[in-house]
Amino acid sequence: ETGVTQSPTHLIKTRGQQVTLRCSSQSGHNTVSWYQQALGQGPQFIFQYYREEENGRGNFPPRFSGLQFPNYSSELNVNALELDDSALYLCASSSTSENTEAFFGQGTRLTVV
Amino acid sequence: DAKTTQPTSMDCAEGRAANLPCNHSTISGNEYVYWYRQIHSQGPQYIIHGLKNNETNEMASLIITEDRKSSTLILPHATLRDTAVYYCIVRRTGTASKLTFGTGTRLQVTL
Repeated sequence: ETGVTQSPTHLIKTRGQQVTLRCSSQSGHNTVSWYQQALGQGPQFIFQYYREEENGRGNFPPRFSGLQFPNYSSELNVNALELDDSALYLCASSSTSENTEAFFGQGTRLTVV
Repeated sequence: DAKTTQPTSMDCAEGRAANLPCNHSTISGNEYVYWYRQIHSQGPQYIIHGLKNNETNEMASLIITEDRKSSTLILPHATLRDTAVYYCIVRRTGTASKLTFGTGTRLQVTL
């Protein structure tokens, strides 16, 4: 148990729809990151939020957006879903102390049909 | 962040030590070596990290060569539950949780 919880665990959406995934960070952590993991590949960094602002982004289009709330929980929003968006979406939380580890949730499995 | 190279897969007999190598020849002085593992369909789990000294915790040991261009993760007594994909990641200080995952090493522990 890492203390990071994600919801829902599984989700099926239709191409073109929008989806919101949620993450509750571990207590005391003020930084949250989101990753996309396609089948058979390692997780790919989407973006990171610190104190409610995005402070790092990977190679993902603007239709991937996020929010971080004052209680450090977070959302990942994906608009205009494409079939290739089907993946495991992982949330990781950490503190801002240097060389600290990140704690991952169990992920949300998104299937786009 | 520096790129890492790991073998695609390895096998280990249960009860024996599993030694997982990682090459990171372009590592910079302010970059740490991190190891995570991912058991099927679960989120990655932190194992250990280090800068230049060898490190040990309750899960594993991390041996970093003197020139820091390679490292080895050691699971001293592998069990079936250690079957997973192991990721070696090099990360700059101050970048918090941004991690660049490669394809990792798939470790299969067998009876």
